[in-house]
Amino acid sequence: GIQVEQSPPDLILQEGANSTLRCNFSDSVNNLQWFHQNPWGQLINLFYIPSGTKQNGRLSATTVATERYSLLYISSSQTTDSGVYFCAVSNTGGFKTIFGAGTRLFVKA
Amino acid sequence: GAVVSQHPSWVICKSGTSVKIECRSLDFQATTMFWYRQFPKQSLMLMATSNEGSKATYEQGVEKDKFLINHASLTLSTLTVTSAHPEDSSFYICSASNGNQPQHFGDGTRLSIL
Repeated sequence: GIQVEQSPPDLILQEGANSTLRCNFSDSVNNLQWFHQNPWGQLINLFYIPSGTKQNGRLSATTVATERYSLLYISSSQTTDSGVYFCAVSNTGGFKTIFGAGTRLFVKA
Repeated sequence: GAVVSQHPSWVICKSGTSVKIECRSLDFQATTMFWYRQFPKQSLMLMATSNEGSKATYEQGVEKDKFLINHASLTLSTLTVTSAHPEDSSFYICSASNGNQPQHFGDGTRLSIL
């Protein structure tokens, strides 16, 4: 099946810093989503982005489908950005989704 | 936007009991629902895919007799952990899709077996 690799696995930032999270996938996809899992376990959908670029406030994402990677940019990080960021992809009908291992982000005040 | 409700959010029970978790799509018809399990500090692992009105498809290594999945309607799927034991303690998350849009996730159920 499709493999999803995320990097870095862990990231510590000073509040206000910028960061880039990466997701590599091993096959073509028809769906790619970025999620933020908060300390209570809730998965917050950040972007649905199988290709192209999207922005939402301080967050933006770019997926280059032909090169099989996606990037999540966090600018001017805040302590509330802390948590785990997951990249999840599917390449089958019905959207069966496989998650990467996640990037654990801690933003220091 | 699409909303998926998962209930209960927390459950604590004794070893040997069975626990049922419900997953409901509140404002759309979910032709497909997915069940995931997440151990502490790990990623979400897909357990099974359920399509309305048919048997669930389980991922390799997941015991179908242990984790019973029912998807009787287009808005409800249930996961029953039968004869639960401490090693079944985990965070269980469901998601739902109508096949034409990405999945929407419930808030998860934290299961603790004593």
